[in-house]
Amino acid sequence: GESVGLHLPTLSVQEGDNSIINCAYSNSASDYFIWYKQESGKGPQFIIDIRSNMDKRQGQRVTVLLNKTVKHLSLQIAATQPGDSAVYFCAENNAGNMLTFGGGTRLMVKP
Amino acid sequence: DTGVSQDPRHKITKRGQNVTFRCDPISEHNRLYWYRQTLGQGPEFLTYFQNEAQLEKSRLLSDRFSAERPKGSFSTLEIQRTEQGDSAMYLCASSTAAANEKLFFGSGTQLSVL
Repeated sequence: GESVGLHLPTLSVQEGDNSIINCAYSNSASDYFIWYKQESGKGPQFIIDIRSNMDKRQGQRVTVLLNKTVKHLSLQIAATQPGDSAVYFCAENNAGNMLTFGGGTRLMVKP
Repeated sequence: DTGVSQDPRHKITKRGQNVTFRCDPISEHNRLYWYRQTLGQGPEFLTYFQNEAQLEKSRLLSDRFSAERPKGSFSTLEIQRTEQGDSAMYLCASSTAAANEKLFFGSGTQLSVL
């Protein structure tokens, strides 16, 4: 079946730097994408979403970029903080809101 | 707390036993989902309900897995005759019925089958 995947399993950044987490998706018909953050022992927490009629969306310290030509999604976190340390998942929203998740990227923020 | 609530947080059981998990969604959400997550992987969709109707259940892992949402509010997920391979985090999420609505997840039930 079609799936969503991530390029990097672990990303280590210095506190205060910007972070970029990448994701490739394979279902060209997908029209909605979500980034989730998951801390140890907790469920995924919604960060930001984007619909396929957009190529960029900004939130507080986070930006999601969507490149439909190459089926690529990225999450940018500005001024990364220790509290940003977590596993980040991109997810593709299929019919009926059945999310397909990628394998996750662990973000480690060094003080 | 108005988020998605799951109970219990942790469950340890012996192989062959039956287990049941409960999920209370956000009150105004009429869609409820169950996912399974193993270590290092993203959550895997199992089933979902709109109100009391189970609209998708083909992805339940085997006939030992079943879910109910009898009154369209809370839901239960039951695993019969548990196996060691069932050890995982079982996550519940809820959303409104609008198209492309974000899912809100609970903290999950961590199942360990000995």
